[in-house]
Amino acid sequence: QKEVEQNSGPLSVPEGAIASLNCTYSDRGSQSFFWYRQYSGKSPELIMFIYSNGDKEDGRFTAQLNKASQYVSLLIRDSQPSDSATYLCAVNGRDDKIIFGKGTRLHILP
Amino acid sequence: DGGITQSPKYLFRKEGQNVTLSCEQNLNHDAMYWYRQDPGQGLRLIYYSQIVNDFQKGDIAEGYSVSREKKESFPLTVTSAQKNPTAFYLCASSRSAWEGGGELFFGEGSRLTVL
Repeated sequence: QKEVEQNSGPLSVPEGAIASLNCTYSDRGSQSFFWYRQYSGKSPELIMFIYSNGDKEDGRFTAQLNKASQYVSLLIRDSQPSDSATYLCAVNGRDDKIIFGKGTRLHILP
Repeated sequence: DGGITQSPKYLFRKEGQNVTLSCEQNLNHDAMYWYRQDPGQGLRLIYYSQIVNDFQKGDIAEGYSVSREKKESFPLTVTSAQKNPTAFYLCASSRSAWEGGGELFFGEGSRLTVL
């Protein structure tokens, strides 16, 4: 069974600080990795995607991938109250089968 | 506007009835997906389709059925065999991985309550 694991949280971070979200995956053949944000009662929306080892930055968001350790993370700099949501890690295997973790609830404290 | 349309948004059914949820996309995507989400949980894959007239089971396919007769449409039937059908159902589409895809575009979801 291919799995994606995330700490369910809640993760509480003061406003303006860095939030760090982590995800591990079991399938070494996984090729692409995604972070989605989901507000309560809404559909997920894409925040970042990453395909290669290393860091990828987009505004306040940085995705980090380490395929050897089967680990992907998301850093949110200068956290804002509007960042409070559930963050879902998703992994795409070789066969287009996209599997999600259970998500991490993030609370930004004003 | 391009996007994914799910209907109905809310649905109430009696136990033992089959229910079909509609999903239509005009993004010209090859791949389509159905996920189920329970309160406080992540998304679990029910079925996915990479191309017309073909689909694969996800991790929780039992009690569900799908068809993919047209590229734009991927309806999901929740059958009476599904033991706990009350949930939030999300449909999504993407370009195929070989096209550099994988980013999922989601519909607004269908919330099914079985009484």
